[in-house]
Amino acid sequence: SYDLTQPFSVSVALGQAATVTCGGDNIGRKIVHWYQQKPGQVPVLVIYGDYKRPSGIPERFSGSNSGNRATLTISRAQAGDEADYYCHVWDNRSAFFGTGTKVTVL
Amino acid sequence: EVQLVESGGNLVQPGGSLSLSCAVSGLPFSNFWMSWVRQAPGKGLEWVATIKEDGSEEHYVDSVKGRFTVSRDNAKNSLYLQMSSLRAEDTAVYYCARDHKEGPWDVWGQGTTVIVSS
Repeated sequence: SYDLTQPFSVSVALGQAATVTCGGDNIGRKIVHWYQQKPGQVPVLVIYGDYKRPSGIPERFSGSNSGNRATLTISRAQAGDEADYYCHVWDNRSAFFGTGTKVTVL
Repeated sequence: EVQLVESGGNLVQPGGSLSLSCAVSGLPFSNFWMSWVRQAPGKGLEWVATIKEDGSEEHYVDSVKGRFTVSRDNAKNSLYLQMSSLRAEDTAVYYCARDHKEGPWDVWGQGTTVIVSS
């Protein structure tokens, strides 16, 4: 098993930057992906390969990964960014999700 | 247009069996690993199973090993999840998803709901 710890919630003022962390043992040695899930909707990939953005994802979304923490940053947060965010890694042919973080835009 | 459409979700009694299907269109199905991911009511995402492009390799989360079987039919562009000895904790929305070559799931179906209850 591989535990991934995320803060339960993060609040951010409209237009400011939000940071969502994903903690794991030596996670910097793994490849991290991030998903956004709005209420009642299907998860959407927003960052893959630690920092890459899929087509159609705004540049406001960025990612980094080092040491024991991976980070998803949402710059200039908008109301539409309110959602749950999950990190994801593969470890020894098994997949693990983080506990999820609810991002609230104030 | 890429589409993944799950079906087969239902209410089933504990100990029962159920088979889920995922019909895939708009992408070269046989070129991709495919996975099932589930989400219990009000809970986070949980990976369930993954199968290689040609079906020769399968991986499962520990909690379903020996009870669930993932399979695929590349001629029918379809992914399956056979579930047996179902438990209340298997209650969830089950999503099928395409495995991007770099590891994430970049295309998801809308999900199908499985409820295990007496």
